[in-house]
Amino acid sequence: AQSVTQPDIHITVSEGASLELRCNYSYGATPYLFWYVQSPGQGLQLLLKYFSGDTLVQGIKGFEAEFKRSQSSFNLRKPSVHWSDAAEYFCAVGFSGGYQKVTFGTGTKLQVIP
Amino acid sequence: DAMVIQNPRYQVTQFGKPVTLSCSQTLNHNVMYWYQQKSSQAPKLLFHYYDKDFNNEADTPDNFQSRRPNTSFCFLDIRSPGLGDAAMYLCATSRGQGNTEAFFGQGTRLTVV
Repeated sequence: AQSVTQPDIHITVSEGASLELRCNYSYGATPYLFWYVQSPGQGLQLLLKYFSGDTLVQGIKGFEAEFKRSQSSFNLRKPSVHWSDAAEYFCAVGFSGGYQKVTFGTGTKLQVIP
Repeated sequence: DAMVIQNPRYQVTQFGKPVTLSCSQTLNHNVMYWYQQKSSQAPKLLFHYYDKDFNNEADTPDNFQSRRPNTSFCFLDIRSPGLGDAAMYLCATSRGQGNTEAFFGQGTRLTVV
């Protein structure tokens, strides 16, 4: 069975600082990987996705993530955090086979301080 | 423009009183999902429809049912809500073929009193 681990429950960064959110997955084959963001009381918005090809993927809002097969990781990064990035971030893994039935990690809540 | 729309955004229901949450989509996607998300937890898949085919997760309680009368609409029925069913309910859609992600609605926050 597939699973996702986000080891950091809560992270605080200063505005303008760089950010890295960690995600590790467990899956027997090549996974499909996603990062979603959720603002309080809202649904999930897709930041970026990896299906195949270039292991460094660019997303919206200046985010990027790198797929590292050897480490079973898909960490999310942003070079300079803005106050509006404060939200909860979910990593998710899906599997090939026509459509996506994803498993979510437990999320990382990001706080941005001035 | 909203593509996956959930109504209502907030729903208060009484303990044991049946409640229905609705979801509509303008994407013409084959697959519609219902997730339950409790406070500070990951979304948990309850069930999904591939077109008219219903797929229930093994650990979804019988108290939760779903209907999909057509491509655009999907409903979540909670037959006898308990206090433990208070949560955010998220509807999502995806294409039925190819590599694609799920598109989520804004969610319905359910409170049980």
